[in-house]
Amino acid sequence: DGGITQSPKYLFRKEGQNVTLSCEQNLNHDAMYWYRQDPGQGLRLIYYSQIVNDFQKGDIAEGYSVSREKKESFPLTVTSAQKNPTAFYLCASNGLRTLYTEAFFGQGTRLTVV
Amino acid sequence: GQNIDQPTEMTATEGAIVQINCTYQTSGFNGLFWYQQHAGEAPTFLSYNVLDGLEEKGRFSSFLSRSKGYSYLLLKELQMKDSASYLCANLDSNYQLIWGAGTKLIIKP
Repeated sequence: DGGITQSPKYLFRKEGQNVTLSCEQNLNHDAMYWYRQDPGQGLRLIYYSQIVNDFQKGDIAEGYSVSREKKESFPLTVTSAQKNPTAFYLCASNGLRTLYTEAFFGQGTRLTVV
Repeated sequence: GQNIDQPTEMTATEGAIVQINCTYQTSGFNGLFWYQQHAGEAPTFLSYNVLDGLEEKGRFSSFLSRSKGYSYLLLKELQMKDSASYLCANLDSNYQLIWGAGTKLIIKP
């Protein structure tokens, strides 16, 4: 079955540590996105990528980094520079320049700083 | 700038009808999406409108007016499981999804 998979579902990080969130899709989608969602809030774009080996900053990229070495994979690293990383992180993908470009979401990763 | 507005919260009664509005101002337009998100879960797709008019899908319908930059999601025969946040998103000229903050819908018995 085609889909988008995030892991882990829950992640705990000590202050000062970097952590990497995984996102893999087998939908052959060109575009992939990382969003952050805080309680009671909407989705805020961290980074997005429309093609392999290229990515763009979203609205809240500071303290985060990404890579897009393969079409299927778009991992997000939350660095120690991100001062308030506790949040729900969502990865999404969609096709580009097609008539119907519904975004599919992974199950999400809940990151907590301990 | 790009902007999508929706009410923060709405309350409705089980069995009733509710309309959730969304207005948008974005650079270009390639479609308007509605997603449902239950607490702690990922959003799931509900509807997509690219032409003006009403799209009906079971208990849920979505309406679009491109000239007014306006859409609404209509939920009929409300059930308790419809309690969730409803997100409006616009696909802009660069095929980027611009998201509203979401409307939290509370269903009361």
